[in-house]
Amino acid sequence: EPEVTQTPSHQVTQMGQEVILRCVPISNHLYFYWYRQILGQKVEFLVSFYNNEISEKSEIFDDQFSVERPDGSNFTLKIRSTKLEDSAMYFCASSEGGSVSPYEQYFGPGTRLTVT
Amino acid sequence: GENVEQHPSTLSVQEGDSAVIKCTYSDSASNYFPWYKQELGKGPQLIIDIRSNVGEKKDQRIAVTLNKTAKHFSLHITETQPEDSAVYFCAAIGKFWGGADGLTFGKGTHLIIQP
Repeated sequence: EPEVTQTPSHQVTQMGQEVILRCVPISNHLYFYWYRQILGQKVEFLVSFYNNEISEKSEIFDDQFSVERPDGSNFTLKIRSTKLEDSAMYFCASSEGGSVSPYEQYFGPGTRLTVT
Repeated sequence: GENVEQHPSTLSVQEGDSAVIKCTYSDSASNYFPWYKQELGKGPQLIIDIRSNVGEKKDQRIAVTLNKTAKHFSLHITETQPEDSAVYFCAAIGKFWGGADGLTFGKGTHLIIQP
């Protein structure tokens, strides 16, 4: 069964450093998302991406964040200058967006980001 | 924006009994309500969903009900088994024009199945 994959599983970085989190969405999906989950809290929407541009973003997704689809398979989240409060689990998700199951979002296993 | 409230935060049931988790939402325009199961160290797994034009949906031991008037929806798990132990999240999506909307999640329910 196709699944969303994410690398790395755990990333440790120092405050102020740039990090790039990588995702490979399900191959025939057209919509891509990033969410984050701070330890013990709810999953929060960051951004959605369609047709090579951002579709929606939350107030969390400020100028420190950017997303990119550099090729036909990868989808990346970049945090330009990490802060301690960026420490969280980051999930990538994708959805088909077609007529059969347009709403269903499938999540990857996550990348745990630790900022020291 | 949408706000989703979920109760209870922890639910402990005996194996074989039923479990019910409830959520309310604030945006009457919301039209899609999925439930996710999250096991320790893993990403959320979609287990069942319901759209606003349906009142109830069932898939083997799990079912979801939706009351649009009251703006609440519930997850029902019957004949609970040890592998049902996990954190369950409800979510809602406000509008859909092509799939780009982010989900708004509830805070989660830690379901514990007692042997």
